Amino acid sequence: EAGVTQSPTHLIKTRGQQVTLRCSPISGHTSVYWYQQALGLGLQFLLWYDEGEERNRGNFPPRFSGRQFPNYSSELNVNALELEDSALYLCASSLGDSEYNEQFFGPGTRLTVL
Amino acid sequence: AQSVTQLDSHVSVSEGTPVLLRCNYSSSYSPSLFWYVQHPNKGLQLLLKYTSAATLVKGINGFEAEFKKSETSFHLTKPSAHMSDAAEYFCVVGNYGGSQGNLIFGKGTKLSVKP
Repeated sequence: EAGVTQSPTHLIKTRGQQVTLRCSPISGHTSVYWYQQALGLGLQFLLWYDEGEERNRGNFPPRFSGRQFPNYSSELNVNALELEDSALYLCASSLGDSEYNEQFFGPGTRLTVL
Repeated sequence: AQSVTQLDSHVSVSEGTPVLLRCNYSSSYSPSLFWYVQHPNKGLQLLLKYTSAATLVKGINGFEAEFKKSETSFHLTKPSAHMSDAAEYFCVVGNYGGSQGNLIFGKGTKLSVKP
């Protein structure tokens, strides 16, 4: 069974640019989560999508946004990139939002902002 | 509010000796607790999870954790460390109250294994 996949694996952008990251969940999973792992800040929750709807977002500015498609894949968009957006962005999926459904993580996208 | 505290940022053991990674949690209701491992330049892998069925939870690769409500702890142990266990370990609590849906991660404990 294929795991969570993310693309691209790495990318380099400059300040002010916009970026789109993509995530495909495990087949059958309806919930997709996005996390940011920045150096020194640990893993922080960004966004949660379930059944095409945004269910919750973490403490991030509105320039972080995303969406979930009918096939449950998801995009994370970051506008007006800042240097501190440099991080590993991890996507996870689960069967639903039940606390008993653990989240399965993809390998991440490494974003570098120059 | 939910939170986790990993008591050690770095633990170093010798190969073949026991591993103890400490985690305390805070939760306003019965928590879901997880341990994840992250090898260098890799994604996160679930080691084990506690969901109130049994207080001693066995995971993959010989790891286990015991949920102790009286101590609000969920420490991760392994009887004998292998070189391949060197990685960063995260204690995690599920933030499911009010359908929050996300996981709350501890700051991580980096495990080094000496030959």
